[in-house]
Amino acid sequence: ELKVEQNPLFLSMQEGKNYTIYCNYSTTSDRLYWYRQDPGKSLESLFVLLSNGAVKQEGRLMASLDTKARLSTLHITAAVHDLSATYFCAVAQRVEYGNKLVFGAGTILRVKS
Amino acid sequence: DTAVSQTPKYLVTQMGNDKSIKCEQNLGHDTMYWYKQDSKKFLKIMFSYNNKELIINETVPNRFSPKSPDKAHLNLHINSLELGDSAVYFCASSQVPPQTQYFGPGTRLLVL
Repeated sequence: ELKVEQNPLFLSMQEGKNYTIYCNYSTTSDRLYWYRQDPGKSLESLFVLLSNGAVKQEGRLMASLDTKARLSTLHITAAVHDLSATYFCAVAQRVEYGNKLVFGAGTILRVKS
Repeated sequence: DTAVSQTPKYLVTQMGNDKSIKCEQNLGHDTMYWYKQDSKKFLKIMFSYNNKELIINETVPNRFSPKSPDKAHLNLHINSLELGDSAVYFCASSQVPPQTQYFGPGTRLLVL
């Protein structure tokens, strides 16, 4: 069964600093998603990574996928307070009649000013 | 012009009651999902429907019964509610999987 591990689970960082969140998964998949969730809110799609070597960037966030290593990273550049949220990676797993997403446990990011 | 909507947003009820949560999407997607997010924020898929047909049914107590009257709606009925059912339930939709899933606002269920 597919397992998805994120680390760290909690990240407290200063504004202006850089950091990376890691997402490892246990079985082959070629689609990985990153979502953001603000407290008490829904999940917002950030990135879809569709192939080995894919890199996507939006503002201060950059996501990459290495399917051979079964690893995705979410890199935060020069963090600002507005990035404080919980970040989830999710991996697509093929099942009998379709696909399902298996989520990591989430990384709680707190950016301190 | 909400993309994925759920009602109600909050649901507080007693153990043993039966309740329903409704979900509608106006994105024209073929596939809809129910997820449960527990108190530790862990998200797990419960069900998925594609064009009104059940395609994913995870290990969920049979007190939970999804129903999809058409491809824009997916409802969740829960019988004999238990304390452990307290969670946030999210509906989501996507075009043919595994495209990006778009999530509704969530229904916060509290069973007393």
